[in-house]
Amino acid sequence: DVKVTQSSRYLVKRTGEKVFLECVQDMDHENMFWYRQDPGLGLRLIYFSYDVKMKEKGDIPEGYSVSREKKERFSLILESASTNQTSMYLCASSYQITDTQYFGPGTRLTVL
Amino acid sequence: QKEVEQNSGPLSVPEGAIASLNCTYSDRGSQSFFWYRQYSGKSPELIMFIYSNGDKEDGRFTAQLNKASQYVSLLIRDSQPSDSATYLCAVNPNTGTASKLTFGTGTRLQVTL
Repeated sequence: DVKVTQSSRYLVKRTGEKVFLECVQDMDHENMFWYRQDPGLGLRLIYFSYDVKMKEKGDIPEGYSVSREKKERFSLILESASTNQTSMYLCASSYQITDTQYFGPGTRLTVL
Repeated sequence: QKEVEQNSGPLSVPEGAIASLNCTYSDRGSQSFFWYRQYSGKSPELIMFIYSNGDKEDGRFTAQLNKASQYVSLLIRDSQPSDSATYLCAVNPNTGTASKLTFGTGTRLQVTL
């Protein structure tokens, strides 16, 4: 079974803090994704990566950056957290970029 | 126009009935279609995917795809209270090698006793 894990289930940070969210997958998948999910807006893609050190912007990359130094690990970075980044953050991975995506359990981030 | 559209619901069906969930998409070149189930507070989990026109059955679930009309649906037979969740439709718009899935906002299903 594919396993995607995320570093925290719940996180509370203050405005202006730098926030790191980490995602690890154990299936040797090429592709990894970061989404945020908000009520009424559905899943919105922030960034994705199709190889180590490769990344592409998704639909809402502003205020975020990512890092993929190893194939199994994909990090989302909020350089200076703001209250409008309070959300559920979901990581996913897939073998091919248009394949089934497998999701981690999510991180509910609250920025005060 | 949204790329993938779903009725937000809630769709309420009695236990044992058939639940029908619909999804329309805008890109006529879309090639693959996925249905995910998401329980409240949990992450999405794949139910099934479909690539070809017609029906695909997996247990109590049937996915139906009609590319000419640009819709894909999910039927749940013998609905159970445990089926109560939000169902997300995802579409591969197939706009190139870097194309990726586009998700609808989901339909909330309530199965009543």
